[in-house]
Amino acid sequence: AQRVTQPEKLLSVFKGAPVELKCNYSYSGSPELFWYVQYSRQRLQLLLRHISRESIKGFTADLNKGETSFHLKKPFAQEEDSAMYYCALSGPGGGSTLGRLYFGRGTQLTVWP
Amino acid sequence: NAGVTQTPKFQVLKTGQSMTLQCAQDMNHEYMSWYRQDPGMGLRLIHYSVGAGITDQGEVPNGYNVSRSTTEDFPLRLLSAAPSQTSVYFCASTPHGADTQYFGPGTRLTVL
Repeated sequence: AQRVTQPEKLLSVFKGAPVELKCNYSYSGSPELFWYVQYSRQRLQLLLRHISRESIKGFTADLNKGETSFHLKKPFAQEEDSAMYYCALSGPGGGSTLGRLYFGRGTQLTVWP
Repeated sequence: NAGVTQTPKFQVLKTGQSMTLQCAQDMNHEYMSWYRQDPGMGLRLIHYSVGAGITDQGEVPNGYNVSRSTTEDFPLRLLSAAPSQTSVYFCASTPHGADTQYFGPGTRLTVL
């Protein structure tokens, strides 16, 4: 069965410090992994997806199949990065099941000035 | 486009009452989903739909029904509300062939 684990419920860093939000997964096939973010009083929105290997708002995430991890990193955190971050995994079946996502429990990131 | 809309924003029910949470999207997205968000639990999939007339269960379907008579609408019905269903409910939609889910603003439900 698929599972997404985010071991840190809360994470606090100071502005300008590096930040890493951890995500581990279990999945029996080739996973599609995502990071979603929910800023205060805003909707949950996609931050980045592993398949595009992109950097969004300075964040990057690399899929490590050996360690079954998809950690989110940013070298210099900003106050506006404070939000709830969710790691998510797409369910089996590829395109026909893109309406299904399995989420981790989320990590609340606070960046102090 | 209004995107994904949900009504109501807030609702208080008594145990045993029934109600329907509304979800609509005007982006012609094929896939739609319902999640519940609970503290410390993240988001859990309740039901989802891959097109009009097609629905399936997610991780936590018990106590909920859905239907998808049109592409635009995907209502979630609570048959007999229980305190364990107190949660924030999110609806999401995804276009065919894409992998980004677009979320609604959520409905905060309290069952007394």
